[in-house]
Amino acid sequence: QKEVEQNSGPLSVPEGAIASLNCTYSDRGSQSFFWYRQYSGKSPELIMFIYSNGDKEDGRFTAQLNKASQYVSLLIRDSQPSDSATYLCAVIIAGGGADGLTFGKGTHLIIQP
Amino acid sequence: SAVISQKPSRDICQRGTSLTIQCQVDSQVTMMFWYRQQPGQSLTLIATANQGSEATYESGFVIDKFPISRPNLTFSTLTVSNMSPEDSSIYLCSVDVGATGDYGYTFGSGTRLTVV
Repeated sequence: QKEVEQNSGPLSVPEGAIASLNCTYSDRGSQSFFWYRQYSGKSPELIMFIYSNGDKEDGRFTAQLNKASQYVSLLIRDSQPSDSATYLCAVIIAGGGADGLTFGKGTHLIIQP
Repeated sequence: SAVISQKPSRDICQRGTSLTIQCQVDSQVTMMFWYRQQPGQSLTLIATANQGSEATYESGFVIDKFPISRPNLTFSTLTVSNMSPEDSSIYLCSVDVGATGDYGYTFGSGTRLTVV
C-alpha cells in the first residue's frame, strides 16, 4: 500500500523558533514532493515542492528531500503565529492516478506567541 | 496563478439524493482532479478528469457513485449519487497550473457537504 506518513501533532513551537515538520513515504517510485498549509475551514495552499535530493529554500521555508531514506521535511524559520495551521505532505507516485497527489494526514502546528 | 471557482460552497442534502459540484478554471488545463476530505482527515484523490475521455478513478471510488463530466478544458463536475451520511465531507477540485518543469497544484475553495 502506498502511504505517506506524518506525525499528527500537535507540534508546539515558540514564536521566532524553527519549526521542523517531517514526512516519510513508502513508495520508492515517488517522484515529486509537496508541502501544503491548510488553515481550519480553508482549502490547502501550496507552500513549495521538491523533486531533487537536498535542500530547496523559499523565503522562511526550506524543504529537504532524502530519497534514500524516503524522507522529506519542511523547516519554517522565524515562526510566526500566522504559521499555525495543519501542514500536509503530498507526493506524486510513479504510475499513480495521472499525477494526482497522495497526501499524508497532516501535522497540526501551533506557534506560541 | 489560476483562479478556481467551485460551487456550491456548502449544502445540506437528504440521504438518497444526488448533488452535482461544479469546478470552473479561468485557464485551460489538461487534467482536473477531484478530492475528498472527510472530517478531521486528509485529502483522498477520487478521480482524475481528462477532457475528451472517461475519468480515471482511484481504488475505492466508482463511476456509478461519483460520475464526473469534463466537457471542455476549463470546466468539470462531480456528482455524489445516492448519498448517505458517510458521504458528508469536503469535496475539492484541483488543477496543475505550473509551467513546464514546474508544479502548481491549486485547489478550489471546496464544497462542504452534509448528508442528513
